Amino acid sequence: SQKIEQNSEALNIQEGKTATLTCNYTNYSPAYLQWYRQDPGRGPVFLLLIRENEKEKRKERLKVTFDTTLKQSLFHITASQPADSATYLCAPTFTGGGNKLTFGTGTQLKVEL
Amino acid sequence: EPEVTQTPSHQVTQMGQEVILRCVPISNHLYFYWYRQILGQKVEFLVSFYNNEISEKSEIFDDRFSVERPDGSNFTLKIRSTKLEDSAMYFCASSEPAGAEQYFGPGTRLTVT
Repeated sequence: SQKIEQNSEALNIQEGKTATLTCNYTNYSPAYLQWYRQDPGRGPVFLLLIRENEKEKRKERLKVTFDTTLKQSLFHITASQPADSATYLCAPTFTGGGNKLTFGTGTQLKVEL
Repeated sequence: EPEVTQTPSHQVTQMGQEVILRCVPISNHLYFYWYRQILGQKVEFLVSFYNNEISEKSEIFDDRFSVERPDGSNFTLKIRSTKLEDSAMYFCASSEPAGAEQYFGPGTRLTVT
């Protein structure tokens, strides 16, 4: 069955450092992969989408890589700030059908001063 | 900036009762979704809806659940004969075009007692 794995442990880093979050998937050939941010008690917020033919995508301090051979995506936040503290969700996605999002369990990031 | 809205923010109901959760998707979006998140667990897909019919549904979406777009702006999730295990946060989302990023509402917290 399809499986999505994200760092289950919370990630604590110091302000200004780069946070790197991992998303691994198995039994999947997604056409693209999305990353979302979720704050406690709130709905997920879209951050970035990367397609299977793209190796890397950037948006401001965010960078996503997508390795379809390793079946892995890395999500980087550079110059991290306490406001970046949240849970980050990855969602490998197929085209066609209902285009549902199947989320990983998420990685909780805490950026400390 | 356009956003998805949901009402009510919190709904308490007794087991066996029917509830209707309401959503107003972003106005030019054509694809609509419901997700749920049990406290402390991951966000799970329930159903997707396009062109006035269900595109895909998960195993969670049993025959107690139904969705409807009663007019040009609202999208509703009805749960009949509620069970204790239906207690969760329910998120509505919309997207355009299909497969693109999804925009989530703030959620309705459903508590079944």
